[in-house]
Amino acid sequence: EAQVTQNPRYLITVTGKKLTVTCSQNMNHEYMSWYRQDPGLGLRQIYYSMNVEVTDKGDVPEGYKVSRKEKRNFPLILESPSPNQTSLYFCASMFAGSDTQYFGPGTRLTVL
Amino acid sequence: DQQVKQNSPSLSVQEGRISILNCDYTNSMFDYFLWYKKYPAEGPTFLISISSIKDKNEDGRFTVFLNKSAKHLSLHIVPSQPGDSAVYFCAASVRGYQKVTFGTGTKLQVIP
Repeated sequence: EAQVTQNPRYLITVTGKKLTVTCSQNMNHEYMSWYRQDPGLGLRQIYYSMNVEVTDKGDVPEGYKVSRKEKRNFPLILESPSPNQTSLYFCASMFAGSDTQYFGPGTRLTVL
Repeated sequence: DQQVKQNSPSLSVQEGRISILNCDYTNSMFDYFLWYKKYPAEGPTFLISISSIKDKNEDGRFTVFLNKSAKHLSLHIVPSQPGDSAVYFCAASVRGYQKVTFGTGTKLQVIP
């Protein structure tokens, strides 16, 4: 089944404790992206990757890191999480040249 | 700066009637527009799209209208069904740049 998977689905952590949210897709998509969804703000892009070893900042990259060492994986790293990073996070992927993204199920992160 | 705006956070419609969801954008470079649907605890899924060379695109009960001069698009759902109850995100992109900007979302409730 073609899908985008994210782990964990739920995470409660404390300020400053490094964490990684994994994202994996099995559709051989070149493009992958991370979004956060917040009430009243919709979906905002954090980082995106056009292909392996090619990443770029989205609209709200502060406090986040990403890497794209393999085509299928695009982990989101929070090296020192803060409470303002409490949010619902979505990973998405699509073929290069396409406009239609496939989203993962989301990761709800709470930073205390 | 919110380049894609959905000014109605919520909408309630009776089953069988028409649902009209609106979206405005400010960036005249946008030339491709999409609607995504999101159920609770799931990621957004693609619903329908329209290129700027068209003013209407229809897919079953869903029709998207684009008014380029007004920088406005709308999604019509006819007839509305209870299963249509979800959050709908409008999105816009510049083809070839693979960066998609999302709106804030409209929560549609279809009342049986």
